[in-house]
Amino acid sequence: IAGITQAPTSQILAAGRRMTLRCTQDMRHNAMYWYRQDLGLGLRLIHYSNTAGTTGKGEVPDGYSVSRANTDDFPLTLASAVPSQTSVYFCASSENGGPLQYFGPGTRLTVL
Amino acid sequence: QKEVEQDPGPLSVPEGAIVSLNCTYSNSAFQYFMWYRQYSRKGPELLMYTYSSGNKEDGRFTAQVDKSSKYISLFIRDSQPSDSATYLCAMDTGRRALTFGSGTRLQVQP
Repeated sequence: IAGITQAPTSQILAAGRRMTLRCTQDMRHNAMYWYRQDLGLGLRLIHYSNTAGTTGKGEVPDGYSVSRANTDDFPLTLASAVPSQTSVYFCASSENGGPLQYFGPGTRLTVL
Repeated sequence: QKEVEQDPGPLSVPEGAIVSLNCTYSNSAFQYFMWYRQYSRKGPELLMYTYSSGNKEDGRFTAQVDKSSKYISLFIRDSQPSDSATYLCAMDTGRRALTFGSGTRLQVQP
């Protein structure tokens, strides 16, 4: 069982470029989440999805969009990357939106 | 003021020591309290969780919640070098949104 996989592992991106971070889970969890982790700020929620077909905004949604076409996949898109989006991005999932969230290995993104 | 406060450390202890990691919080609506362990360049791993007040023990780890003081703790007994990681506390009101502390970096010296 892989749990949650994320791709790419790391990426360097020019400012203004579009980028999609991929997240796939095989636990059949209904709820999925995207966080960014920055030094001193901890993990902050970007977007979430309680079930396939629905999404919601978290604490820091600006500049990001998500979609949830099916249970397993939850891609995060940066339409036009800016340097302040340099961060480590984690995807997570939970069963039925419960408080126990399980995290993927992360994507380390640098925007220059 | 942040909703959840956590000392960033680093906390350095000798192997075999008892470690105490703590978080304070301001939101009295928090009901679920979690501890995650994060190794360098890895994703957070759920270590323990507690609902409401009280203690929970799992092997060398004990999680403690004092809702009256808005204070939670994670104790690690007989600490090992493999326990060296960043420990994140997280809390939930039950409305499906975790609030994380910024993490405490622990170093266990062999």
